[in-house]
Amino acid sequence: GENVEQHPSTLSVQEGDSAVIKCTYSDSASNYFPWYKQELGKGPQLIIDIRSNVGEKKDQRIAVTLNKTAKHFSLHITETQPEDSAVYFCAASPSSNTGKLIFGQGTTLQVKP
Amino acid sequence: NAGVTQTPKFRILKIGQSMTLQCAQDMNHNYMYWYRQDPGMGLKLIYYSVGAGITDKGEVPNGYNVSRSTTEDFPLRLELAAPSQTSVYFCASSYGAPYSNQPQHFGDGTRLSIL
Repeated sequence: GENVEQHPSTLSVQEGDSAVIKCTYSDSASNYFPWYKQELGKGPQLIIDIRSNVGEKKDQRIAVTLNKTAKHFSLHITETQPEDSAVYFCAASPSSNTGKLIFGQGTTLQVKP
Repeated sequence: NAGVTQTPKFRILKIGQSMTLQCAQDMNHNYMYWYRQDPGMGLKLIYYSVGAGITDKGEVPNGYNVSRSTTEDFPLRLELAAPSQTSVYFCASSYGAPYSNQPQHFGDGTRLSIL
């Protein structure tokens, strides 16, 4: 079945620096890749997603890139702010099932003021 | 707009007890999901439903049961609670399937401890 690996597990940056989180997936037919942000005591919230027919997508300070050949995708956050501190999850939608999202293990991002 | 509502927020159970975690959504979504989140392990899919009367197993269904009698509600049942089921449980919903690029909306979770 589909497997999603996420790195790093923790990431600490200074305010204003960039942060990059990387994920790899195993099912080459996966076609949808969302990123979620989870704040303490809350459920995950979608922050950006990308389809398999697109290589890059941006939304203000957040961007996601997808390399289908290498089967990896990344989240880029520029000009980080303390409110960006949270746990971030990547996920992939495998082709074998209509209902599943397979999540990575999560990255705890700390932005130091 | 309430979105996805989960109750209770916290619960402590004794081994062998049973309980039902409630989940309701008011977005008229067809798909609903139950996940569990263990420290450092991400979210694992327990069960999901593509519509009223239809449910299917996810990655970790053992020890759980679900039903979907209405579009709005998707309760998760633990019949014989075990310490391994101590976790944070999240319910989510979406209009369509992930492969059709439909985002999942999550509730704020139920924190369950089994002692």
